[in-house]
Amino acid sequence: GAVVSQHPSWVICKSGTSVKIECRSLDFQATTMFWYRQFPKQSLMLMATSNEGSKATYEQGVEKDKFLINHASLTLSTLTVTSAHPEDSSFYICSASTGSNSPLHFGNGTRLTVT
Amino acid sequence: DAKTTQPTSMDCAEGRAANLPCNHSTISGNEYVYWYRQIHSQGPQYIIHGLKNNETNEMASLIITEDRKSSTLILPHATLRDTAVYYCIVRSPNTNAGKSTFGDGTTLTVKP
Repeated sequence: GAVVSQHPSWVICKSGTSVKIECRSLDFQATTMFWYRQFPKQSLMLMATSNEGSKATYEQGVEKDKFLINHASLTLSTLTVTSAHPEDSSFYICSASTGSNSPLHFGNGTRLTVT
Repeated sequence: DAKTTQPTSMDCAEGRAANLPCNHSTISGNEYVYWYRQIHSQGPQYIIHGLKNNETNEMASLIITEDRKSSTLILPHATLRDTAVYYCIVRSPNTNAGKSTFGDGTTLTVKP
């Protein structure tokens, strides 16, 4: 149980366009989901906490107007990278847990390449 | 949440036990120790977690010292597929629905 599905697994887009990444909890409800970004040979960096029915909470240094997060239902959070630039190329990973004392379950990540 | 320290890399022979240490000397009384691993180009995978007692599941064992300032993840019979980056995280159950900060982890290479 506790499966998190992320889509797409990879995407290539042109500079200046926007890209939407979906994160779904398949067999549990997640009032909170987390979005991470990972550059090559680096660890996961927490970008934001996505809260169902309310605004996301962004980590320091993450531009909220560039990385739009929508958590409209208990099983779906989306991350939209707006006006993407080559420096936004990265591996984006979402996660959620079934409770505050439960482990995180991760999606398989989305490899974004901006040309 | 408390900070953790792990060795940058370790090697292990296939079929032998892999023992991955983690230091969390500033851990608080209600903070749990979680272990995850990330195989190349995939999302992280949960392995095991514990508070103070040793834990075992089908994947691994977790040994937590009595003072809780360090722990060891044990993969009893490492295989080539266990080659991954292993992350040790300390987290309070009061933390917002599992919010977790990742350090640099340990890159485990299992060799034939």
